[in-house]
Amino acid sequence: EAGVTQFPSHSVIEKGQTVTLRCDPISGHDNLYWYRRVMGKEIKFLLHFVKESKQDESGMPNNRFLAERTGGTYSTLKVQPAELEDSGVYFCASSRASGSVYEQYFGPGTRLTVT
Amino acid sequence: AQSVSQHNHHVILSEAASLELGCNYSYGGTVNLFWYVQYPGQHLQLLLKYFSGDPLVKGIKGFEAEFIKSKFSFNLRKPSVQWSDTAEYFCAVIIYGNNRLAFGKGNQVVVIP
Repeated sequence: EAGVTQFPSHSVIEKGQTVTLRCDPISGHDNLYWYRRVMGKEIKFLLHFVKESKQDESGMPNNRFLAERTGGTYSTLKVQPAELEDSGVYFCASSRASGSVYEQYFGPGTRLTVT
Repeated sequence: AQSVSQHNHHVILSEAASLELGCNYSYGGTVNLFWYVQYPGQHLQLLLKYFSGDPLVKGIKGFEAEFIKSKFSFNLRKPSVQWSDTAEYFCAVIIYGNNRLAFGKGNQVVVIP
């Protein structure tokens, strides 16, 4: 069974540019999560999809961030326009169902550097 | 503010030494507790978890953790570490009824052969 995959693994962009990160969850996993780790800080929750619906987007930092999951399969996270403080590692995770009893499986992360 | 605290962010120890990593959380009510590990170049993966029952939880690779409700703690232990335990370890909490993992800052552990 393939794990959670993320693309790209690294992205370096200039301030003001747009970047789109992609996450492919484990097949059959309805729940998809985005997290972010800014250097030196803890991993922080961004949002949670159940299929194509946003279940919880309380962690999204501002309206420069847009997450989508059309069709309930893969998800994209777009940052537009990117700012220096957006640099960090963006993790995606998926789980079979909602509820803490269901393990969240993490992808390798996308390292975003905004210069 | 609600948070998860991990201390001693960088730990260096020799093989066969014992390891204990502290984790304290400040959430009231029922919580589910987790330790995740990220080995160099690998994904975050679940090491162990506590939901209810016996407060001493055993996980993979000889790790265990003890939930002490009165101290709001969930410390991770391994009696004898190996070089392959070099990794970053994260404590995390999910508040009951929620789905969001709240992480601590992590402990970078280096085991010297």
